[in-house]
Amino acid sequence: AQTVTQSQPEMSVQEAETVTLSCTYDTSESNYYLFWYKQPPSRQMILVIRQEAYKQQNATENRFSVNFQKAAKSFSLKISDSQLGDTAMYFCAFMKLSNQFYFGTGTSLTVIP
Amino acid sequence: NAGVTQTPKFQVLKTGQSMTLQCAQDMNHNSMYWYRQDPGMGLRLIYYSASEGTTDKGEVPNGYNVSRLNKREFSLRLESAAPSQTSVYFCASSEARTGGLLANYGYTFGSGTRLTVV
Repeated sequence: AQTVTQSQPEMSVQEAETVTLSCTYDTSESNYYLFWYKQPPSRQMILVIRQEAYKQQNATENRFSVNFQKAAKSFSLKISDSQLGDTAMYFCAFMKLSNQFYFGTGTSLTVIP
Repeated sequence: NAGVTQTPKFQVLKTGQSMTLQCAQDMNHNSMYWYRQDPGMGLRLIYYSASEGTTDKGEVPNGYNVSRLNKREFSLRLESAAPSQTSVYFCASSEARTGGLLANYGYTFGSGTRLTVV
């Protein structure tokens, strides 16, 4: 069975600082995809960043980057230069090649002015 | 480009009432999904449809039924609503390919439906 664990229910960061959200997963698959989704108060689920497991290079999207450690089954999200608009719930997700998704329970991030 | 459209956005039901949540996507995706989101539990899959004409149970299907009306539309029905079904419901769609690597993988989510059963 696949599981995704986010061990930090809540986090806060000062505006302009850097914060890292952790995610670990468990799978016997060798090829898969990993995602971070952001859910602001508007409730919309927004894709932040994604990573193919076969790629060793960590994905980056502007201020968002990941630290993907395949052997450790770890997929953390780093947000640099945090902005007030980054305040949201962040979900880590795992997807098998068959398109089945598994979500973590989320980390609530608050950016403090 | 609307993406995934869910209706309604909010709904209050009395216990025992029925209702259908509607979902439509305009991205020509094969697969569609219904999730519920509850505090501390992330998103849990209710039902999914890998392709037009097929539906399968997810993690929490009890109390729900679905219909894949056509490639665009995937509805979720509560036949007799219960307070335990108070939740936020998300529809999502994705490209589907069994095995191999997807060029544009991942889900596109609707904006959610907040359902309260009293």
